[in-house]
Amino acid sequence: DAKTTQPPSMDCAEGRAANLPCNHSTISGNEYVYWYRQIHSQGPQYIIHGLKNNETNEMASLIITEDRKSSTLILPHATLRDTAVYYCIVGDYKLSFGAGTTVTVRA
Amino acid sequence: SAVISQKPSRDICQRGTSLTIQCQVDSQVTMMFWYRQQPGQSLTLIATANQGSEATYESGFVIDKFPISRPNLTFSTLTVSNMSPEDSSIYLCSVEGQGVATEAFFGQGTRLTVV
Repeated sequence: DAKTTQPPSMDCAEGRAANLPCNHSTISGNEYVYWYRQIHSQGPQYIIHGLKNNETNEMASLIITEDRKSSTLILPHATLRDTAVYYCIVGDYKLSFGAGTTVTVRA
Repeated sequence: SAVISQKPSRDICQRGTSLTIQCQVDSQVTMMFWYRQQPGQSLTLIATANQGSEATYESGFVIDKFPISRPNLTFSTLTVSNMSPEDSSIYLCSVEGQGVATEAFFGQGTRLTVV
């Protein structure tokens, strides 16, 4: 069973920030939060992960609440190529994919 | 990072036959994972394959239907046996990065259609 809850879909304007929420209220102390995305007909692509601190890399930022029960993935300047299904996953080496959020970036 | 090559990229097979999917990694990895993605669905983990031991299957998947080989640290195969149209899916190979809690890398998948 997926241990995360994400909105099924969201739209975003090109050039604007996209904020993708994820609830993981049953996360345990040693479980990381991972984000992946899957562009149509491709294998999933890693975006970012974190344990308790906020993280940033060249693709995105990850904001984790202090109680670790939810997180937000931020794509700072969305482009049309960011249109994909985004998966929030908590756990260890075995990834359990939920339904994800279908993000559509519109010009 | 790891580069994963899967073969074949796609295939159309007759029901009742079997297909073996190959996964080659450009570096040595301890664990390899096989996933299935049914049309319009998310990914479901089939099994974890460690070199030198039997694969560990997730609930709902059995070795007779999805036998897996892991002969060395860079290669694995997944066989889809006695196929039916319900087996039409994308099958993906994945490996874990080096170190603790690192990212996973995925192949581009094998798109299987059973007719």
